Amino acid sequence: EDKVVQSPLSLVVHEGDTVTLNCSYEVTNFRSLLWYKQEKKAPTFLFMLTSSGIEKKSGRLSSILDKKELFSILNITATQTGDSAVYLCAVRRHTSGTYKYIFGTGTRLKVLA
Amino acid sequence: ETGVTQTPRHLVMGMTNKKSLKCEQHLGHNAMYWYKQSAKKPLELMFVYSLEERVENNSVPSRFSPECPNSSHLFLHLHTLQPEDSALYLCASSQDRTSGREFFGPGTRLTVL
Repeated sequence: EDKVVQSPLSLVVHEGDTVTLNCSYEVTNFRSLLWYKQEKKAPTFLFMLTSSGIEKKSGRLSSILDKKELFSILNITATQTGDSAVYLCAVRRHTSGTYKYIFGTGTRLKVLA
Repeated sequence: ETGVTQTPRHLVMGMTNKKSLKCEQHLGHNAMYWYKQSAKKPLELMFVYSLEERVENNSVPSRFSPECPNSSHLFLHLHTLQPEDSALYLCASSQDRTSGREFFGPGTRLTVL
């Protein structure tokens, strides 16, 4: 059965800390892995990763995929209170001519001032 | 603002009521989705529409009935729901069914009494 597991489930840090969020997966017909940030309601897209070892970077956020070990990490450096959110990992798989997303339960990050 | 709007934002209904959730996207996308997000569970894909045709139905009970009258609008008709159906219902859209990125609406928080 396909599954996506995120860790830790929750995390509390202070402003300025660096955090690493983990996403491991067991999914057949893997196509890509996506990271989303969910604050109040709507998840907002962060990164899409399809190739191993290539880091994607956006400001203080970066992410990398390891397709051999089947995991991805999301790094946030110099955290700010505005980074407080649930971070979702989703794996896109190909099935019967179409695509399907499998989401993890998310990591809840709280950044204290 | 992601370009995807949902109404209402909050809904409380009894088990015998009939209500509808509405989603509208202003992005010119061809694929639209309904997701259910329950507490401490991963996002669950419910329905997928591509070019107004339902292409995926992930074993959702018949008390949920989707409708896609055109590529910009998506409805979820609800009737005789159960308390366990209380959740956040998220609508999303993407350029097409094979596009890697989905844009989410703000969601409707549904409570079934």
